[in-house]
Amino acid sequence: GDSVTQMEGPVTLSEEAFLTINCTYTATGYPSLFWYVQYPGEGLQLLLKATKADDKGSNKGFEATYRKETTSFHLEKGSVQVSDSAVYFCALTYTGNQFYFGTGTSLTVIP
Amino acid sequence: GAVVSQHPSWVICKSGTSVKIECRSLDFQATTMFWYRQFPKQSLMLMATSNEGSKATYEQGVEKDKFLINHASLTLSTLTVTSAHPEDSSFYICSATRPKGGSSYEQYFGPGTRLTVT
Repeated sequence: GDSVTQMEGPVTLSEEAFLTINCTYTATGYPSLFWYVQYPGEGLQLLLKATKADDKGSNKGFEATYRKETTSFHLEKGSVQVSDSAVYFCALTYTGNQFYFGTGTSLTVIP
Repeated sequence: GAVVSQHPSWVICKSGTSVKIECRSLDFQATTMFWYRQFPKQSLMLMATSNEGSKATYEQGVEKDKFLINHASLTLSTLTVTSAHPEDSSFYICSATRPKGGSSYEQYFGPGTRLTVT
């Protein structure tokens, strides 16, 4: 079946450090891949997405590339800020209707 | 952009009472709405899929008599937690689907409702 696996957290980084959150997926077809961010006490917000292999999604300094050969969609940011502290979810969907979420990775950025 | 609201944003109720949570798509008609439950430090667990005018489809292990879902219109779905118990305390998130054309959709998530049962 379809599933998403994320690296376990929590992740703690100093401000301006480089961030990588790993995400791999198992899919029976050709899904779209997403990263969502959840700030404390809030719902999910779409961070970025990629709809086909080799696409790169980017937003707010975050990037992720859809790698079909490694079935991965790792999230990266070159220089994190305290305001990036949140929980990050990797997800896949085929039609945009039903989503499969990873378990989430908590990120804390310290000044 | 599309907005999905939830009401209330947080609620505290006594054990044995029922609580209704509303999910509204504010500026689009949602063909489908989903209800998720999120436990502390865990991912979202899909509870049910709700289509306007029809019965909700519940995921395995979710008690349909306990979590009543009513999708009254294309902009409103409600989740009622009946006879709530402390173990029902959780963060409930809805999402709404907006068709983009063909067989593709955009999914928009509500801000969530924090339920605490005492």
